[in-house]
Amino acid sequence: DIQMTQSPSSLSASVGDRVTITCRTSLDIRNDLGWYQLKPGKAPKRLIYGTSSLVSGVPSRFSGSGSGTEFTLTISSLQPEDFATYYCLEHNNYPPTFGQGTKVEIK
Amino acid sequence: EVQLLDSGGGLVQPGGSLRLSCAASGFTFSSYAMSWVRQAPGKGLEWVSAISGSGASTYYADSVKGRFTLSRDNSKNTLSLQMHSLRTEDTAVYYCAKVASAGFWSGDVDYWGQGSLVTVSS
Repeated sequence: DIQMTQSPSSLSASVGDRVTITCRTSLDIRNDLGWYQLKPGKAPKRLIYGTSSLVSGVPSRFSGSGSGTEFTLTISSLQPEDFATYYCLEHNNYPPTFGQGTKVEIK
Repeated sequence: EVQLLDSGGGLVQPGGSLRLSCAASGFTFSSYAMSWVRQAPGKGLEWVSAISGSGASTYYADSVKGRFTLSRDNSKNTLSLQMHSLRTEDTAVYYCAKVASAGFWSGDVDYWGQGSLVTVSS
């Protein structure tokens, strides 16, 4: 199976900060990667698909980049509602594999 | 608006069985493959199973193969995950999720249910 490494596992940041989360894969997955936001008690929400395409309705402060084996989710200016856990998902291989998650906490 | 309503979770003893359901609305259910993803307490997300739009093809993670069975009723827009021989390590919130692209299965999911908690404990 493919190996996914998501970092950091957690971070503390303030409102207005720029935040970057990285996923690295052991195999080239082209651009078959998405990013998801999880909050307790709520349905997970897709933010980015195809590495860099923003889901309709998601604020433009979220962006995705990368290709091949290294991918990044950036939040340009962290807002109070962005404190959550974020996961990457690669779907180029079987089985699809999630990153380990990054918990974004308030500093 | 796409809606997925998970139900059927609860407490079950090791070795027991449980059936999860997912009621879908807001899209042409039979055109889309569907998946289940779970999250154990304090752990990350794990893909569990998937089924094609017609129901003819199913896919399972090694950790549940032979114990879980996924099916769908396209006349009722419902998805069912029958779980047998449950283990303590199956304790998790189970989410049903819609595959993003119509017509074929992939791991790319766009909409999720709110989750259903399964607790396996004596």
